[in-house]
Amino acid sequence: GAVVSQHPSWVICKSGTSVKIECRSLDFQATTMFWYRQFPKQSLMLMATSNEGSKATYEQGVEKDKFLINHASLTLSTLTVTSAHPEDSSFYICSASLLRDEQFFGPGTRLTVL
Amino acid sequence: DQQVKQNSPSLSVQEGRISILNCDYTNSMFDYFLWYKKYPAEGPTFLISISSIKDKNEDGRFTVFLNKSAKHLSLHIVPSQPGDSAVYFCAALDSGGGADGLTFGKGTHLIIQP
Repeated sequence: GAVVSQHPSWVICKSGTSVKIECRSLDFQATTMFWYRQFPKQSLMLMATSNEGSKATYEQGVEKDKFLINHASLTLSTLTVTSAHPEDSSFYICSASLLRDEQFFGPGTRLTVL
Repeated sequence: DQQVKQNSPSLSVQEGRISILNCDYTNSMFDYFLWYKKYPAEGPTFLISISSIKDKNEDGRFTVFLNKSAKHLSLHIVPSQPGDSAVYFCAALDSGGGADGLTFGKGTHLIIQP
């Protein structure tokens, strides 16, 4: 099946620094990638929808300037958490769309901000 | 090795009848389970969840049943409506694990026929 990777799987950073998370579709081209955020025992919350070559569409309540998304190619989308703070500590997961109703999830990235 | 299995790729149900979606898991460390619904070209949306300390959780037309001894859970939708046509993902969480990553099944495409 289609494989989506995320890098890094774990990241610990100091408050005020920026962290970049990569999402790659390894064996298919994805015109659309999704970024989610999950707090412990909470549902996966959609943060933004990323389309290749265009600006990401952010969900209500998600700060565009804080969570920068770049979808530069059909196989790569990046999420940059700028000036991270402890409240940004969470589990970030991406998914990539192959066909209209097929979506493949990455394994997620655990971000801990000290 | 798939730890969360949804063995029915698709399911067709008549409008007004009950839809039953099944999910099996192999990891006995999973203690929290979630169902997600997904429309084409959209991210999954949280539907309902259940903790391993319960065997049933109900929310409107949706009920999730958990059989821990069988490592099996099911989602019941009654009555089924046309808007219920979507892909349903079962997901599991080991809350005591090192990372709060969700393990998803591959999904079941539910088709509600008029």
